[in-house]
Parts: sequence; structure tokens; C-alpha cells
Amino acid sequence: QKEVEQNSGPLSVPEGAIASLNCTYSDRGSQSFFWYRQYSGKSPELIMSIYSNGDKEDGRFTAQLNKASQYVSLLIRDSQPSDSATYLCAVNEAGNQFYFGTGTSLTVIP
Amino acid sequence: NAGVTQTPKFRILKIGQSMTLQCAQDMNHNYMYWYRQDPGMGLKLIYYSVGAGITDKGEVPNGYNVSRSTTEDFPLRLELAAPSQTSVYFCASSYNEGGASGYTFGSGTRLTVV
Repeated sequence: QKEVEQNSGPLSVPEGAIASLNCTYSDRGSQSFFWYRQYSGKSPELIMSIYSNGDKEDGRFTAQLNKASQYVSLLIRDSQPSDSATYLCAVNEAGNQFYFGTGTSLTVIP
Repeated sequence: NAGVTQTPKFRILKIGQSMTLQCAQDMNHNYMYWYRQDPGMGLKLIYYSVGAGITDKGEVPNGYNVSRSTTEDFPLRLELAAPSQTSVYFCASSYNEGGASGYTFGSGTRLTVV
């Protein structure tokens, strides 16, 4: 059973702070990793993808991957109230199946 | 460019009824997927397709069927609906194998079985 685990939260941060979201996965063969944002009642939308160990930055978002520790994280700098959503971690081994975590609920307090 | 279109958006079914959830994409993606999302349970893969005429089971296929006669359409069929199938259903498509470039999701179908 492949597993992707996230802290369900809720995680609350003040506006302008850094939000840190974490995800661990069980399958060492996993090759690609994704973060999706899902607003309440809406469909998930892709924020970041990462494939290699290290950091990948895109605007206010930074994804971090450590395959040895089977750990992937998402940092959101200068958090805004519009960042309040559930963040889903998704992991893909070679093939066509993704495994999603249950999501972390983030609230950014103005 | 509509992306991935799902219909209907909401539906209430009685136990034992059947229905088809429609999904269409206009991005010429070969790869299409059906997920269900239950509260607090994350997204679970029901079925996927790597191209017209080719489908395969995902993690939770029981109680569902799919077909893929064209690149654009990937309908999901529920036979003999059960309360356990109450969920939000998302269709998704991707350009790369395994969604390596990420998925584009439809807006979802909220299904209640009573």
C-alpha cells in the first residue's frame, strides 16, 4: 500500500509570514512530486512540481525534496489571505498512478 | 479553451439507480483519469486511460465502469448506486504519461446516493 501522509492541520499563520507544509511518502521508487492547491468546493490546481533533490522556487512558492528522507515540503513566503486553502501533496512512481495525501488546511490570518 | 468539462455538477441518486458522469477535454491529452474525493480521505484513483480504446483500473474501481471511444471523452458509469459512492468525482487529464506535467482537473461532480 503506497502512502502519502500530510498533517491535516489546520495550520494558521499571520499574513506576511512563511507557511511550511510537509509531506512524507512510503514508496522509495517515487519519481515525481507535486503540490496542488484546492479552495473549498473547487477542484485542485497545480502549484509546483519537483523531480530532483533540493529546492525549486516559483515566485512566493518553494518546493523542497529529500528523497533519502522520503520527504517533500512546500514553503509559501509572504503568505496572503488568498493562500488560505487545502494543499494536496501528490506522488507518482513511474507509471500512471498518482497517490494523493489527505491535504493540509492552511488559514492565513489578516 | 474550455480545458476539462464535467457534467453534471450535482446529482442525487436513489440506491440501485445508474448514471453516467460525463468528462470531455479539448486539449488533445491522451491521458485521462477519474478520481473520487471523500472528506478527509484525499483523492483516490478509480480508472484511467492512456488513449482511445485503452482503460485500466486504479485504486478503487469496484462499482464503476469506463469507456474511451475518443481522445476527448472519458465517461464514468455507476451501476447500482450505493451510499458508499456518495462523493465528489473529479475527472483529470494530462499531456505526459503519469501526469508528469501535472493534471488539469475538471470542476467536479458532487454525487449523493440516498
